[in-house]
Amino acid sequence: DQQVKQNSPSLSVQEGRISILNCDYTNSMFDYFLWYKKYPAEGPTFLISISSIKDKNEDGRFTVFLNKSAKHLSLHIVPSQPGDSAVYFCAASGANYGQNFVFGPGTRLSVLP
Amino acid sequence: GAGVSQSPRYKVAKRGQDVALRCDPISGHVSLFWYQQALGQGPEFLTYFQNEAQLDKSGLPSDRFFAERPEGSVSTLKIQRTQQEDSAVYLCASSFYATEAFFGQGTRLTVV
Repeated sequence: DQQVKQNSPSLSVQEGRISILNCDYTNSMFDYFLWYKKYPAEGPTFLISISSIKDKNEDGRFTVFLNKSAKHLSLHIVPSQPGDSAVYFCAASGANYGQNFVFGPGTRLSVLP
Repeated sequence: GAGVSQSPRYKVAKRGQDVALRCDPISGHVSLFWYQQALGQGPEFLTYFQNEAQLDKSGLPSDRFFAERPEGSVSTLKIQRTQQEDSAVYLCASSFYATEAFFGQGTRLTVV
């Protein structure tokens, strides 16, 4: 039973356009959410996070939106660049859940030049 | 370097062999995690340390898996009597308490 879901295994976007990656979770005890980016043969790299007390967090071209009532978060990349092509993982944790991070299966983003 | 370091990067083991995977976390990071990532999937939690204390080992798939962090810094994940289903990338991550975790490059284990 997946607690963190990324229903799109892959996404292709034209360079310069917006990339929107989606993530849904089922466990209401999660209160901290993260996005990681992974290139082949490398470990995941932290990108951006959001606490459940916020509904938006922005860092340069990356913005994460959180909709707690829908148990949904999304990562927006604007403008998308070819170097953004990677697998993106959504992860969740919670102070009352435990210290570990629960990861989704990932979405492979391809930014086409 | 200042990042999480894992060794070896690649390990080929014969079925039944014991293996030991090492993780050097970022200096000063209290929390250390081990994850297992199968091909095409997200990382799956194995175990968590806070300093030298193993606070959660609920993700270890069997009693063949054992992890330790005796001095609260370097950690070793040991797999005894490896099986083919143990083939995966093993990721180590560290964090300063409950903040974002920083991952190493992983050890790709192939059991033949």
